[in-house]
This record gives sequence, C-alpha cells and structure tokens, in this order.
Amino acid sequence: KQEVTQIPAALSVPEGENLVLNCSFTDSAIYNLQWFRQDPGKGLTSLLLIQSSQREQTSGRLNASLDKSSGRSTLYIAASQPGDSATYLCAVSPDYKLSFGAGTTVTVRA
Amino acid sequence: DTAVSQTPKYLVTQMGNDKSIKCEQNLGHDTMYWYKQDSKKFLKIMFSYNNKELIINETVPNRFSPKSPDKAHLNLHINSLELGDSAVYFCASSLSGATNEKLFFGSGTQLSVL
Repeated sequence: KQEVTQIPAALSVPEGENLVLNCSFTDSAIYNLQWFRQDPGKGLTSLLLIQSSQREQTSGRLNASLDKSSGRSTLYIAASQPGDSATYLCAVSPDYKLSFGAGTTVTVRA
Repeated sequence: DTAVSQTPKYLVTQMGNDKSIKCEQNLGHDTMYWYKQDSKKFLKIMFSYNNKELIINETVPNRFSPKSPDKAHLNLHINSLELGDSAVYFCASSLSGATNEKLFFGSGTQLSVL
C-alpha cells in the first residue's frame, strides 16, 4: 500500500525567503507525482505534474524534483510572497488512483 | 466560469438522514471522481467514473451511491448518514483518466453529521 508523507506539517517564513517542501512515498512504482495547492474553503489546484520518466518540472517560481529510486520529491518556491500562503499537497499515482500526503501548511509573513 | 462545481458547499444534517451532493464539470472531461478528505486532511479516492461507467469503487460502504447521468455530472447520494461520514467531499475530473493527466478539483462540500 502506497504511503505518502509530507514533512514538515507546517512552515512559517518571512516574505522573500525560498520555500522547500518535502514529500516521500513508499512505493517507487509510480506513474507520476503531482503537487497541489489548497486554499482554505477551496478546492485543490494542480501546480505541477512530474511524469515518472522526468526528474523535474518548472513553472514560474515553482520547481519540483522527483527521485523515484529514493521515493522523494521536493517542491521549491523561490522568493516567497504572502500570496503563497496555503496548504501544499503532493500525490502519487501508481494507477488510476492518487495517493495523497496530508500536506504542508505554509504561512509567508509580510 | 467555474470548471468543476459542486453543491452544496456546506451540508449540516442529522444522523440517519439521506443527502445528495451534486457535481458538474464544464471541461469536456470523460472522467470524474469523488474524494473524501478526513479530519487529518488525507484525501482518499472513493469513486471514479469514465464516460458514465464506474471504474473505481474503493471499498466504500454501500450507503454511498454515485450516479452519473452524463459524463459532465457525477452526483453522490448518501443513505443513513453516520457521524463518521463527516468530512469534506471533493469532486474532480480529468480528461480521460490516464495516469499522466492533471486533476481538476471542485471547491468541496463540507458535510457535518450531528
């Protein structure tokens, strides 16, 4: 059974600092890994999707890396802004179903 | 325009009642899902439909019955609600259900069973 862990559960940083969010998974037989953002009272927004054959994906200030062999992914957010405050979830897809981590709640202080 | 919309946003009801949550997507996607987010914030898949046909049923009590009248709609009906059903339920969709596709989520329905 796939287990996805995100550490830390919460993170508070001053504006401008780079963010590093970690995700680990137990079964390396995955098709892809996705990073989502969840705002309070709202749904999830897909940020980045990394195929199992890829090592990283970039979108603007966001960069996500994937190391299947070690079962790890890292989401980097450069030059954080207060608007980046949200919960970030990673999810891996071993088949049709996504297995989610519990998320890291990020607060960026102005 | 909201891509995946679900109603209601909040649902407060008594134990034993029957309730429904509706979901609609205007993305032209073939595959729709129901996920449950529990108090520990873990999201777990419940059901998946592809073009109105059930393709995933994740050991969910049969009190939960999804219904897909067409590929743009996937509703969730819950009979005899229990306290443990309290959670946030998310509807989602993807283009064809392939493993390399992004999922698009609705804003969630917070269900509170008293």
